Amino acid sequence: EAGVTQFPSHSVIEKGQTVTLRCDPISGHDNLYWYRRVMGKEIKFLLHFVKESKQDESGMPNNRFLAERTGGTYSTLKVQPAELEDSGVYFCASSTQGQETQYFGPGTRLLVL
Amino acid sequence: QKEVEQNSGPLSVPEGAIASLNCTYSDRVSQSFFWYRQYSGKSPELIMSIYSNGDKEDGRFTAQLNKASQYVSLLIRDSQPSDSATYLCAVIGTGGGNKLTFGTGTQLKVEL
Repeated sequence: EAGVTQFPSHSVIEKGQTVTLRCDPISGHDNLYWYRRVMGKEIKFLLHFVKESKQDESGMPNNRFLAERTGGTYSTLKVQPAELEDSGVYFCASSTQGQETQYFGPGTRLLVL
Repeated sequence: QKEVEQNSGPLSVPEGAIASLNCTYSDRVSQSFFWYRQYSGKSPELIMSIYSNGDKEDGRFTAQLNKASQYVSLLIRDSQPSDSATYLCAVIGTGGGNKLTFGTGTQLKVEL
């Protein structure tokens, strides 16, 4: 069974540009989570999808971040326009309905210059 | 006060020793607790979950939970160099939706 995959693995962009991160959860996992780790800080929750619906987006930092999960399969997280403080590692995780165990992807390392 | 606190380390132990990793949390009504292991540049990998007070053992790993003291720990027996990694404590609180709240992690180094 394939694990959670994320693309790209690394992204270097300039301030003001747009970046789109993609997450493919484990097949059949209805729950999809986005987390972010900023340098020197803990991993922090961004938002949670159940299938295609946003269950909780309380961790989204501001309206420059837009997450989608059309069709309830893969998800994208767009940052537009990117700012320096958006640099960090963006993790995606997925789980089956009713299970608390979350399986993490390898992360996307974003550097905004 | 951080919601989940861990000593960042590094914690250095000799090969074969017991490594003890500690975590405290602030949300008194939290019910679910997890230990993830993360190698440098890799994804967090779940190694233990615990929900009830007491000890839970799985191979060389033992998780301990004390809800009264809001304390959860991870013991690694017979530590191996391959155990060298960052160990993340995570908690599911009362907000619903199973979102994880993480500590900053403790770096463990097992020395030959």
